[in-house]
Amino acid sequence: QLQLQESGPGLVKPSETLSLTCTVSGGSISSSNYYWAWIRQPPGKGLEWIGSIYYSGSAYYSPSLKSRVTISVDTSKNQFSLKLSSVTAADTAVYYCARDLSEYNYGYGYWGQGTLVTVSS
Amino acid sequence: QSALTQPRSVSGSPGQSVTISCTGTSSDVGGYNFVSWYQQHPGKVPKLMIYDVSKRPSGVPDRFSGSKSANTASLTISGLQAEDEADYYCCSYAGNYRVFGTGTQVTVL
Repeated sequence: QLQLQESGPGLVKPSETLSLTCTVSGGSISSSNYYWAWIRQPPGKGLEWIGSIYYSGSAYYSPSLKSRVTISVDTSKNQFSLKLSSVTAADTAVYYCARDLSEYNYGYGYWGQGTLVTVSS
Repeated sequence: QSALTQPRSVSGSPGQSVTISCTGTSSDVGGYNFVSWYQQHPGKVPKLMIYDVSKRPSGVPDRFSGSKSANTASLTISGLQAEDEADYYCCSYAGNYRVFGTGTQVTVL
């Protein structure tokens, strides 16, 4: 069974860079035609798609966050990572990593448990 | 890009049917048959209920169904049950990225 687990600091200072890693177990990040995604949810608000990456390193980002986001992949560690620069309080959210249920289908059937990141001095 | 538009809340009595709409544009909902729906209970991880507009993952009750017409997708819950009370989000492929809906709170009266 595929499992995803987010990790990283729970507190980040304003103007600094938020860095999170998603560790994949139960399957290889490079074995199939999947994009691995980051999604976030501010407290009490809705879901927001941040971006996704293919094992080859090809990445796509939300137009609204593109200038601040970098997603990378480390196939040797079966991990992919998120960096969000110049954070403000508005970036406080639960951050999820996710993957589509199956190849060529569009629906995130696998999610990490989520990690709360608070932006505060 | 703007979030897809969903009603803030819908409600129904047990056994009734409710439908949640998800309105986008020809660049997202209307342009692709790649709409998904998620159920989220308070403090929990979102759960995939519908993918590719109308397909149900294994284990999702057939009370949940999805459809699409032009730029609007819909999720229908038939035979509403108490455990269906939750927040629901739609999500659409929009050409190399995805966009979520604003979310709908479903209340079982």
